[in-house]
Amino acid sequence: EAGVTQFPSHSVIEKGQTVTLRCDPISGHDNLYWYRRVMGKEIKFLLHFVKESKQDESGMPNNRFLAERTGGTYSTLKVQPAELEDSGVYFCASSLDRVEEAFFGQGTRLTVV
Amino acid sequence: RKEVEQDPGPFNVPEGATVAFNCTYSNSASQSFFWYRQDCRKEPKLLMSVYSSGNEDGRFTAQLNRASQYISLLIRDSKLSDSATYLCVVNNWNQGGKLIFGQGTELSVKP
Repeated sequence: EAGVTQFPSHSVIEKGQTVTLRCDPISGHDNLYWYRRVMGKEIKFLLHFVKESKQDESGMPNNRFLAERTGGTYSTLKVQPAELEDSGVYFCASSLDRVEEAFFGQGTRLTVV
Repeated sequence: RKEVEQDPGPFNVPEGATVAFNCTYSNSASQSFFWYRQDCRKEPKLLMSVYSSGNEDGRFTAQLNRASQYISLLIRDSKLSDSATYLCVVNNWNQGGKLIFGQGTELSVKP
């Protein structure tokens, strides 16, 4: 069974540019989460989808971040325009249920220069 | 104050040593507790869930003290392959199942 996959694995962009990260959850997992780890800090929650609906986006840093999950399958996280402080590793995780184990993707390492 | 606090380490121990990690959490409404393991430049992977009664998985023993809001992980007979960052994680189902992470404790096991 395929795990959670994320694309790209690395991205280097200039300040002011736009980047879109993609996450394909495990098939059948309704719950999809985005997390971020910036250097020297703990992994932090960004938002939570149940199918195509946003359940909780309390962790989104600001309105430069936009997440979508059309059709309740894969999800995208767009950063527009990117700032230096957006650099970090963005993880996606999925689970069958909110109380079940969450499986993580390998992450997208974003560097804004 | 961080919701989940861990000693970042690093812990440098010889093979065969026993090492213990501790973690405290601030939200008394937290319902599930976990230890995740993260290897360098990899994703976090669930090591074990933590229960009030304490649970063991081979060389690993986890313990939860709800009254003190304290979680521990004990690794016996350390192996070189145990070198990684250990993340203390809590989950409040009422908040949709989002995970709250500690900063992680780095372990390095030396020959």
